[in-house]
Amino acid sequence: QVQLQESGPGLVKPSETLSLTCAVSGYSISSGYYWGWIRQPPGKGLEWIGSIYHSGSTYYNPSLKSRVTISVDTSKNQFSLKLSSVTAADTAVYYCARQRVATITGYYFDYWGQGTLVTVSS
Amino acid sequence: SYVLTQPPSVSVAPGQTARITCGGNNIGSKSVHWYQQKPGQAPVLVVYDDSDRPSGIPERFSGSNSGNTATLTISRVEAGDEADYYCQVWDSSSDHSPVVFGGGTKLTVL
Repeated sequence: QVQLQESGPGLVKPSETLSLTCAVSGYSISSGYYWGWIRQPPGKGLEWIGSIYHSGSTYYNPSLKSRVTISVDTSKNQFSLKLSSVTAADTAVYYCARQRVATITGYYFDYWGQGTLVTVSS
Repeated sequence: SYVLTQPPSVSVAPGQTARITCGGNNIGSKSVHWYQQKPGQAPVLVVYDDSDRPSGIPERFSGSNSGNTATLTISRVEAGDEADYYCQVWDSSSDHSPVVFGGGTKLTVL
């Protein structure tokens, strides 16, 4: 059974960098698939942040691209998110997820982490 | 950017059938995926590729997609089905995010 677990600080100061890690168990990242980050502000809907392939190839939500870096560490079977220059608008539950190829086009997310709340506040 | 429109809420009595719609321009040409999210929990994939179910998801959950509307149908609704439901597609036709989620529908079991 594939399991994902997010970890990182729950409180980040404005203008600083949010850093989270997603540890994967039950599946080797090196075996394939894209791996993504999605966030959900309190009481709101889901927003995709970006994704990474085991080779390190990435693509990001254009609205966040200038502030986002996603990296992968296959030796530790984990991938990470960095979001710079955060503001209160970045307060959200952050999820990591495995990304699968859809039949017609695109991708969907079949396994999700439990999520971690990150609050941006001084 | 591509927009997915869901009704904010749907209510249904136990044992009845709930239908949650997801509207989008020519959505029938895309693969639609559905997620269930209970309070305080992560989303769970309940339907992918319009109408396929992951292992462990009851047959009561089904999906369809045609024209400008995709529909998640939950038959014989149970109290445990009460949750928020999100549809999702992939759209790379613009400079916006290719991963598009609907705004979510809150299913209330009366």
